[in-house]
Amino acid sequence: DAGVIQSPRHEVTEMGQEVTLRCKPISGHNSLFWYRQTMMRGLELLIYFNNNVPIDDSGMPEDRFSAKMPNASFSTLKIQPSEPRDSAVYFCASSPGTHTEAFFGQGTRLTVV
Amino acid sequence: RKEVEQDPGPFNVPEGATVAFNCTYSNSASQSFFWYRQDCRKEPKLLMSVYSSGNEDGRFTAQLNRASQYISLLIRDSKLSDSATYLCVVGAGGFKTIFGAGTRLFVKA
Repeated sequence: DAGVIQSPRHEVTEMGQEVTLRCKPISGHNSLFWYRQTMMRGLELLIYFNNNVPIDDSGMPEDRFSAKMPNASFSTLKIQPSEPRDSAVYFCASSPGTHTEAFFGQGTRLTVV
Repeated sequence: RKEVEQDPGPFNVPEGATVAFNCTYSNSASQSFFWYRQDCRKEPKLLMSVYSSGNEDGRFTAQLNRASQYISLLIRDSKLSDSATYLCVVGAGGFKTIFGAGTRLFVKA
């Protein structure tokens, strides 16, 4: 298995533009997580899904952020409109079950100018 | 109070030294515990799980103290390649896992 695949690896966009980050979890994993990492705030859990259903989105910073998981092999995190303070590395991770190891993708480095 | 707290460091140690990190968690109902390692500009990767009885993997030893709500990581005979950020991770119930902010370790020759 190729592991968790995220795209794009790098994204530079202008303030106000829509940004869509994509994730393909490891096949057979039923939990998917979106994290954001910055120097100031560390690694923050934004939202997680179980069996494609959003379980907890309390970490989503505001309404400009939305996430979907239309099927077991694909998820998106969308920011609309983007702002410079959204600049961070966004990680997607998947896990085979509860209380088990989470496997991370390589992340998307987002820069909003 | 943060749900998972770690000393951010950095810890600067010479090769061969023994270094220990602690991490405290606030939710007494937490059921799973891990240490992850993150190299610069890379994704976090599992270093080891932490079991109630404690566990050892080579130079690395992890301990759990439920009464005091902390976990620890001990690294013996530090190598240059151990330089990284070590993240404490707590499973807070259900599918939710909380990451600490990480402790930075620099091992010097």
